[in-house]
Parts: sequence; structure tokens; C-alpha cells
Amino acid sequence: SQTIHQWPATLVQPVGSPLSLECTVEGTSNPNLYWYRQAAGRGLQLLFYSVGIGQISSEVPQNLSASRPQDRQFILSSKKLLLSDSGFYLCARDGSSYEQYFGPGTRLTVT
Amino acid sequence: AQTVTQSQPEMSVQEAETVTLSCTYDTSENNYYLFWYKQPPSRQMILVIRQEAYKQQNATENRFSVNFQKAAKSFSLKISDSQLGDTAMYFCAFTSGAGSYQLTFGKGTKLSVIP
Repeated sequence: SQTIHQWPATLVQPVGSPLSLECTVEGTSNPNLYWYRQAAGRGLQLLFYSVGIGQISSEVPQNLSASRPQDRQFILSSKKLLLSDSGFYLCARDGSSYEQYFGPGTRLTVT
Repeated sequence: AQTVTQSQPEMSVQEAETVTLSCTYDTSENNYYLFWYKQPPSRQMILVIRQEAYKQQNATENRFSVNFQKAAKSFSLKISDSQLGDTAMYFCAFTSGAGSYQLTFGKGTKLSVIP
């Protein structure tokens, strides 16, 4: 089966600290991968997508960055967190008919 | 740019009854794909049902069905025989397909199933 793992599940970080969220995918090769953020009570906002190793496209300018060091690994990073970075971060992969499948998510609280 | 609108922030339904969630979208594309996702309290996003715009037949998945009205740009979700486990946020989503890597989501409808 094609499974998406995300860790950590929950993270509390102070303002100005660095961030690294990891997403790994099993059971598929060369997937398109996505990072979304969901603010409280709102829909999903696409942050980054990747069509292959080292290929990153940014949808929203911000202090976040993404990297794809391996085919099935997608990392979301920040050098210095802001309060506004708090939210629920979801990693997703594409399916066969333009749908996307999501991981369990990471809840980030910046204090 | 495509937009997706869900005009019902919250809805409730009695257990075993039927409920319909509304979604409208705006696009100039002729072919595209529409989805409904469910987000229960665990916050895992789960694909409920999909519809391809070039298919006239409405999609059905067990108790879930859609009413796709292409001319009206409407894509509603009907849940029959509602169960307590259906309590969740429901998001409508759109993609134009080939060449597009983005799913555009509505803001969601919070559905509560009342015992």
C-alpha cells in the first residue's frame, strides 16, 4: 500500500527557532509531493510541490523552504519561526486521477 | 484563477437521515476534476469521492453521492443514512488536471451528526 508518514505529529517551538518537518512516502516511485498548511478553521493552502528530487516549486512567499533530497522524502524547513507559522501541516502525494492523498499531519505551535 | 465556495460553514443532521453539502466553483476550463474530502477530528484528510467533469454520470461511493451540475458549476455532496462517524469537516476541492499541480480547496463545512 502507498502510505505517507509525517513526523513529528506535534511540535511546540519558540519564535525564532528553526524548523524541520519530514514526510516520507512508501509504496510508490517518483510521486509528486506537496506541502499544505491549514490554519485554524480554514481550508488548505498549498505551500510547495515537488515533481522530483531537487525540484521544488513555491506557491506562497514566506520564511519557509522545502527540499526533496530523496525520491520519497520531502522536508519542510524554516531558519526562524514566526508566530504566524503556527498551523497544521499536511504532506500529500498525487494519485492516478489527479486526486491527492494526505499524511496524518503535524500540528505546529509557535510560542 | 479557480475558486471554490462552500456557503454552509456548519450543518447538522440526525443520525440515519440524509444531508446535502453545497459547493460551487468558478473556472474557465472545460475539463477538470472535483473532489470531496472529509477531515474528522483526527485531522487526517480522507478522499470521499471524485468526479471528472467530462463524465455526465454522478459519482457514487456507498452512502456518498454527488450532484454535479456542470452548467451551474455546482458540485454538492449527499450523505445518506448519516452515521455518527460522518461527523467531520468536509472540503470541496478542484483541479484542472494535466499541467496543474494544485488542488484548490473551499473553506469547508462542519457537519455534526446528532444521535
